[in-house]
Amino acid sequence: GESVGLHLPTLSVQEGDNSIINCAYSNSASDYFIWYKQESGKGPQFIIDIRSNMDKRQGQRVTVLLNKTVKHLSLQIAATQPGDSAVYFCAEILMNRDDKIIFGKGTRLHILP
Amino acid sequence: DVKVTQSSRYLVKRTGEKVFLECVQDMDHENMFWYRQDPGLGLRLIYFSYDVKMKEKGDIPEGYSVSREKKERFSLILESASTNQTSMYLCASRLGDTEAFFGQGTRLTVV
Repeated sequence: GESVGLHLPTLSVQEGDNSIINCAYSNSASDYFIWYKQESGKGPQFIIDIRSNMDKRQGQRVTVLLNKTVKHLSLQIAATQPGDSAVYFCAEILMNRDDKIIFGKGTRLHILP
Repeated sequence: DVKVTQSSRYLVKRTGEKVFLECVQDMDHENMFWYRQDPGLGLRLIYFSYDVKMKEKGDIPEGYSVSREKKERFSLILESASTNQTSMYLCASRLGDTEAFFGQGTRLTVV
């Protein structure tokens, strides 16, 4: 069935190190993926997206990698800062009439001082 | 910038009350969504709408209804609130095949 999930529920990273958050998806027909960041008490905020015709996309300090062969998505955050502490969700959008967004359950990123 | 505004940040309601959660977006987006977010369960889709007066059930529509009389406004209605509807409710909107923009969330407690 369709599902989007994350390998690790919590990730602890030393401040200044790079973070890698992973996501697996099961719908091979999906062609649009998004990473969201949700800080405590706030709604999810868009970080970066990628379409299936790409395998890498870079933003400011963030990079998303898409491996369609193994249906895997990752978010890399360079030089992790305290402000990066949040829950990160991957999301898969089904590009059909319904346009539903399927979210993973989230990974909490914890920054160690 | 796109703005999605939910009418309340925090609500406390009694069991059996009818509850209205309002969401307004200012970017003329076609699609609007209501999710609830619970620990360990992530975001679950309740209802969505892709046009005025159109609505589609999501994954967990039971106990909820929605209204979309105007393009910018999407309301979630709890017909008779129950304690298992205590949750964080998130509204989102999107245009076509772009990312979804979320409101700040409404934390509803049903007592």
